[in-house]
Amino acid sequence: NFILTQPHSVSESPGKTVTISCTGSSGSLASNYVQWYQQRPGSAPVIVISENNLRPSGVPDRFSGSIDSSSNSASLTISGLKTEDEADYYCQSYDGTNRVFGGGTKLTVL
Amino acid sequence: QLVETGGKLIQPGGSLRLSCAASGFIVSSNFMSWVRQAPGKGLEWVSVIYRSGDTYYADSVKGRFTISRDNSKNTLYLQMNSLRVEDTAVYYCTKEGLGMDVWGQGTTVTVSS
Repeated sequence: NFILTQPHSVSESPGKTVTISCTGSSGSLASNYVQWYQQRPGSAPVIVISENNLRPSGVPDRFSGSIDSSSNSASLTISGLKTEDEADYYCQSYDGTNRVFGGGTKLTVL
Repeated sequence: QLVETGGKLIQPGGSLRLSCAASGFIVSSNFMSWVRQAPGKGLEWVSVIYRSGDTYYADSVKGRFTISRDNSKNTLYLQMNSLRVEDTAVYYCTKEGLGMDVWGQGTTVTVSS
């Protein structure tokens, strides 16, 4: 089974930049799109990056996504961190017709 | 907008049907998925129905859950049979466009004796 691995938690100070990684267990992550979702406590997830690096309408340009084929990984970078960015972040890709989520990363902005 | 209903407390082995009413877009013109989240855990994809009507399931629910839609009601369903304690979760329905770009607020299913 295809697995996406994320760090359990990351922390950074307001105004700084943080990068969250998402590594595929096999195959090529670059051959399927990767999405990123933000979930604040008590709320439903919200998409922040689609198709590797597209920002949906309303998502600040502080959020960006990328793919690194050499390491079979995707990354979500948030610059100019704000306290409101504190949330859980999930990557998501595909294994054939199945959708696969990473385990999630808790971002603390302190 | 997506609004899920139908979640409740149910005993192991029981059955339940979740509904997801859509507004602002046509369910049958989109890929639609169910995603669940167990208490304190991460997101888990459950099932998808394509525009064609083709359906796919996570191994954890295959043979027990059935995804369907009613085009006249613009509503998505998840029929859940042979429920287990480990099916306890908040269940979200989602619209797939560029990724899962619309989510409902979720409905809670608790499987316990």
